[in-house]
Amino acid sequence: EPEVTQTPSHQVTQMGQEVILRCVPISNHLYFYWYRQILGQKVEFLVSFYNNEISEKSEIFDDQFSVERPDGSNFTLKIRSTKLEDSAMYFCASSEIQTQYFGPGTRLLVL
Amino acid sequence: GDSVTQMEGPVTLSEEAFLTINCTYTATGYPSLFWYVQYPGEGLQLLLKATKADDKGSNKGFEATYRKETTSFHLEKGSVQVSDSAVYFCALSERGGSNYKLTFGKGTLLTVNP
Repeated sequence: EPEVTQTPSHQVTQMGQEVILRCVPISNHLYFYWYRQILGQKVEFLVSFYNNEISEKSEIFDDQFSVERPDGSNFTLKIRSTKLEDSAMYFCASSEIQTQYFGPGTRLLVL
Repeated sequence: GDSVTQMEGPVTLSEEAFLTINCTYTATGYPSLFWYVQYPGEGLQLLLKATKADDKGSNKGFEATYRKETTSFHLEKGSVQVSDSAVYFCALSERGGSNYKLTFGKGTLLTVNP
């Protein structure tokens, strides 16, 4: 069964450093998303991507964040200068239309 | 804006007990409704969904019925197992332009004891 994959599974970084989180969505899917879950809190929408552009972004998704689909298979989330409060689990999801399938997540720890 | 309210946890049950996790929603249009499950240390897995009023989603013995009149999508299972211990998230999705972003509830931690 096709699945969404994410790398790395864990990332530890210093405050102010750039991180890139990678996702490989399910191959025939058209819509791509990033969500985050701060420990013990609910899952929050960050950004959606369709037809090679951002279709919606949340207030959390400020200028420090960017997304890219560089090669038709990967979907990346970049955080330019990480802050302590960026520590969270980041989930990638993809969908053919409405039903989204999630990857296993990347746990990001900013020190 | 859209929102989802879930019953506060944690919920602790004995094996073979009946489970209900309440979920109500607020939406401007006609959303699709979902339950996702997160097992310890894992990501989110789609458990079931319903796309229109009166639809019943079901999977692995879990069921939820889309009730437009009460704006609810309560999750039920007749007989829980220890392996059902997880966090359960209710979510909704509405089409907004070219995306179907999910709005999640806070999650309900279920622990099932043998």
